[in-house]
Amino acid sequence: KAGVTQTPRYLIKTRGQQVTLSCSPISGHRSVSWYQQTPGQGLQFLFEYFSETQRNKGNFPGRFSGRQFSNSRSEMNVSTLELGDSALYLCASSLEAGGTGELFFGEGSRLTVL
Amino acid sequence: AQSVTQPDIHITVSEGASLELRCNYSYGATPYLFWYVQSPGQGLQLLLKYFSGDTLVQGIKGFEAEFKRSQSSFNLRKPSVHWSDAAEYFCAVSGGRPNFGNEKLTFGTGTRLTIIP
Repeated sequence: KAGVTQTPRYLIKTRGQQVTLSCSPISGHRSVSWYQQTPGQGLQFLFEYFSETQRNKGNFPGRFSGRQFSNSRSEMNVSTLELGDSALYLCASSLEAGGTGELFFGEGSRLTVL
Repeated sequence: AQSVTQPDIHITVSEGASLELRCNYSYGATPYLFWYVQSPGQGLQLLLKYFSGDTLVQGIKGFEAEFKRSQSSFNLRKPSVHWSDAAEYFCAVSGGRPNFGNEKLTFGTGTRLTIIP
């Protein structure tokens, strides 16, 4: 079956703009988590959605937001982009909510902020 | 809050040699422990996981890991590495259900593995 699909794979934005990233989980998976990966900070948890509800949130400012649709697809949005938001944003889906099951990761969306 | 420490940023081993990647965790109760691997330009793939039971767990690609509660460690091992094992390896911990708030997966900073012929 198809894996986790993230779009777009690459994008370049300028400071102050906003960006929306999309994630389609594996069919049947209802949990979607988002992570930010940077060389300096490693993998930082952003948030997790399960059945359209945010179950958990990491320590990121309110500029980072997300949502999940009834078909389990998820989007995350970053408003008022800053240079430090340049990162690889990874989406992961799983059958179960919370960090108990295997996470299946997409290849990520690489965001560059100029 | 839980945390994970991977003390080795970069390890180089010869092809065919044995490998051990270190992972230490901090969590107040019995943790759920994972090892993931990330090849260049790819997402992460689960190698193995420990929830309970036998403290030596087997994973894919010939990897194994041993949970040692007394040392708060979950080291990853492979008896003989292959050139295709070159990648970045991440140890992760979560509190599991039903510890709401501790459920999220917390990753270590990763260990980059280089294989020399």
